[in-house]
Amino acid sequence: AQSVAQPEDQVNVAEGNPLTVKCTYSVSGNPYLFWYVQYPNRGLQFLLKYITGDNLVKGSYGFEAEFNKSQTSFHLKKPSALVSDSALYFCAVRDLRNSGNTPLVFGKGTRLSVIA
Amino acid sequence: DAGITQSPRHKVTETGTPVTLRCHQTENHRYMYWYRQDPGHGLRLIHYSYGVKDTDKGEVSDGYSVSRSKTEDFLLTLESATSSQTSVYFCAISEPSYEQYFGPGTRLTVT
Repeated sequence: AQSVAQPEDQVNVAEGNPLTVKCTYSVSGNPYLFWYVQYPNRGLQFLLKYITGDNLVKGSYGFEAEFNKSQTSFHLKKPSALVSDSALYFCAVRDLRNSGNTPLVFGKGTRLSVIA
Repeated sequence: DAGITQSPRHKVTETGTPVTLRCHQTENHRYMYWYRQDPGHGLRLIHYSYGVKDTDKGEVSDGYSVSRSKTEDFLLTLESATSSQTSVYFCAISEPSYEQYFGPGTRLTVT
């Protein structure tokens, strides 16, 4: 079975500081990893994904994520946070067995607050 | 929202009544999904479809049924709504092995 853990319910960071939102995963095969963002009263928006290749993945709005196989982690990062980054962030995983034709499994979400 | 619409966007209904939520896509994607979002639980999969008339259960499927008679529409039915089904429901679409794209959501309140 595949699962995702987001150990922090809430992350607070000052505007201009670097931010990190943590995610760890568990799959039987190789993982296919995603980050999504949700703004108030909106659906989830895709930010970035990792399938294979370079462990540092770049995505939308200046976000990036680092895949670490030994630590089974896929942390979301941004060098300089903006107040507009305040939102709910979800990590998700899909097991690449069976050609990856399985639905994504989501973490419980981390609320990011960027303080001016 | 990637060519996905959900209707209705808001609904209040009484316990014991049937409710149907509709998801419509214009992207011709093969896979469609229904999730519910609740505080402290994140998103949980209810049902999904991998083709017309091909569906499968997710982790929280009890009390829900789905139908997909054509590629663009995926219906979620609460056969007899209960207060525990008060939630925000999201539809998503994808091609096999690719990222999922989400609709705007339906806020359902069961009184």
